[in-house]
Amino acid sequence: AQKITQTQPGMFVQEKEAVTLDCTYDTSDPSYGLFWYKQPSSGEMIFLIYQGSYDQQNATEGRYSLNFQKARKSANLVISASQLGDSAMYFCAMREGGNDYKLSFGAGTTVTVRA
Amino acid sequence: NAGVTQTPKFRILKIGQSMTLQCAQDMNHNYMYWYRQDPGMGLKLIYYSVGAGITDKGEVPNGYNVSRSTTEDFPLRLELAAPSQTSVYFCASSYSGQGGHEQYFGPGTRLTVT
Repeated sequence: AQKITQTQPGMFVQEKEAVTLDCTYDTSDPSYGLFWYKQPSSGEMIFLIYQGSYDQQNATEGRYSLNFQKARKSANLVISASQLGDSAMYFCAMREGGNDYKLSFGAGTTVTVRA
Repeated sequence: NAGVTQTPKFRILKIGQSMTLQCAQDMNHNYMYWYRQDPGMGLKLIYYSVGAGITDKGEVPNGYNVSRSTTEDFPLRLELAAPSQTSVYFCASSYSGQGGHEQYFGPGTRLTVT
């Protein structure tokens, strides 16, 4: 079964508007972490934001915020005030507890910011 | 700090050839990982290591081998290359597997097997 599901293959957003990227996850482990990475067309993977399963508050990093709904097992990324440089592929990933420390990635969502 | 470095950046292999993808990190991270990314897809874990001398299989290990003789280096070996191994390969490292310690990724190696 898929551990991370990203249902939006591609999205368009107008410059300066906000965009929400959906991510749902599947785990029975009470301890886990959720990550979002950005992959621009140049190919590198850039870490954006992290949310731990026991964190009481939603994570924020500059223009990025994570809408964490634990009961619904969703961890949506919100990008506010979109910029042209935000055009990229965005991946949601999960690390479950235990000693493996491995990341399971979703299929990604392509975001295109229009001027 | 150079971070995570990978060589080569690009490579074309013929079916049946072998090669080693190099990965090095200078952040003194214990944890290192190899992923592959097929076109339009997310990353899948091939192998990982939690320290020098310790390696373990990930989700898609068939056709690959790894070694970890030092903290810094984590080479990935492809034996008898097949077209199904055409992919972009990413090496990553992290300080710890706990908490919010993110994985730092190298720039990737684009491999084509024909």
